Amino acid sequence: SQKIEQNSEALNIQEGKTATLTCNYTNYSPAYLQWYRQDPGRGPVFLLLIRENEKEKRKERLKVTFDTTLKQSLFHITASQPADSATYLCALDSGGNNRKLIWGLGTSLAVNP
Amino acid sequence: DAGVIQSPRHEVTEMGQEVTLRCKPISGHDYLFWYRQTMMRGLELLIYFNNNVPIDDSGMPEDRFSAKMPNASFSTLKIQPSEPRDSAVYFCASSLPATQETQYFGPGTRLLVL
Repeated sequence: SQKIEQNSEALNIQEGKTATLTCNYTNYSPAYLQWYRQDPGRGPVFLLLIRENEKEKRKERLKVTFDTTLKQSLFHITASQPADSATYLCALDSGGNNRKLIWGLGTSLAVNP
Repeated sequence: DAGVIQSPRHEVTEMGQEVTLRCKPISGHDYLFWYRQTMMRGLELLIYFNNNVPIDDSGMPEDRFSAKMPNASFSTLKIQPSEPRDSAVYFCASSLPATQETQYFGPGTRLLVL
């Protein structure tokens, strides 16, 4: 069955550094992959979507890569700020015309001032 | 736009009681999703609707769970009877048609079954 893995340990970095989060998947070839941010007590918020034919996508300080050979996506936050502290979730489509997403457990990021 | 609206925000009930969670999707969105989130299992899709019709309910745990969408602006998720293992945060999300795969989440309902 489809499986998604994200860094299980929390990531602590210094303000101004680049944060890199990993999403690995197995037994599957998704058509697209999404990254969401979730703050405590709130619902996930969409950040970026990247399709299988795209290698890289950028939005302001955010960058996502998608390597279908390695079955991996990397999510980068450059010039990180304490306000970037949150849990980041990776989600993949389940295939076909189904709108069902398969979600990773998320990685907690803490940016220290 | 007010975003996805869910009620109640918090619910505490006793085992065996019926629980009804409510959701109003963003106007114009024709997909609606119900999720459950726990620390151990993360976000799990329970069911989703397209144009008020249930499309995939394979994530509904058992017959105690049911969901309805009587119109484009309202959906309910009902648990009857509730059990302590149902304690979780339940999210509703909606999305646009066609190639708009982005999902917009509500604030969630935190359910505690004693």
